[in-house]
Amino acid sequence: NAGVTQTPKFRILKIGQSMTLQCTQDMNHNYMYWYRQDPGMGLKLIYYSVGAGITDKGEVPNGYNVSRSTTEDFPLRLELAAPSQTSVYFCASSYLARYSTDTQYFGPGTRLTVL
Amino acid sequence: KQEVTQIPAALSVPEGENLVLNCSFTDSAIYNLQWFRQDPGKGLTSLLLIQSSQREQTSGRLNASLDKSSGRSTLYIAASQPGDSATYLCAVRDGSEKLVFGKGTKLTVNP
Repeated sequence: NAGVTQTPKFRILKIGQSMTLQCTQDMNHNYMYWYRQDPGMGLKLIYYSVGAGITDKGEVPNGYNVSRSTTEDFPLRLELAAPSQTSVYFCASSYLARYSTDTQYFGPGTRLTVL
Repeated sequence: KQEVTQIPAALSVPEGENLVLNCSFTDSAIYNLQWFRQDPGKGLTSLLLIQSSQREQTSGRLNASLDKSSGRSTLYIAASQPGDSATYLCAVRDGSEKLVFGKGTKLTVNP
């Protein structure tokens, strides 16, 4: 049981390039999330998904896209990378039902630098 | 809009000391509150989750309390150890499925 895995661990992009951050969970969780964490700041929600085929915007969605074709995978796409997207990106998953007490389980993060 | 504040931003203590980390939130209509630990270069690990109907939760040397009406939570760490050095994040879940995080408290426990 690997939990939440993310690839790559590190990446340097040039301004204007695009890339996809991969996230996979093996816990059969229905909810998945993408956060970004800037230095000295808390996590901000980019996008989330409540199940395969369903996604919704979080607090800071501009410049990003997501898709959820399977329960396990939730890739985050960066189009036209900008220096403001330099950050650490975390993927998380949880099983949420109306009265669920389950927490979110986090991946190890992807450190992205845009130069 | 829910806002979560954590005080202090950083804390340095000698080993063995008992300490308290503080978290406050602006909207008391929360579903639950969670405390996470983050080690450098790593993801977040959940420490304690307190439902809105609960007053506290305990796990080993950790005790978290919740006063929903005043919008406050504290994380108490007893007999601190160097291995407790990390950043501690507080997050609240409102009626939706989303968490709102504070900026964290960076704790250093000196041997």
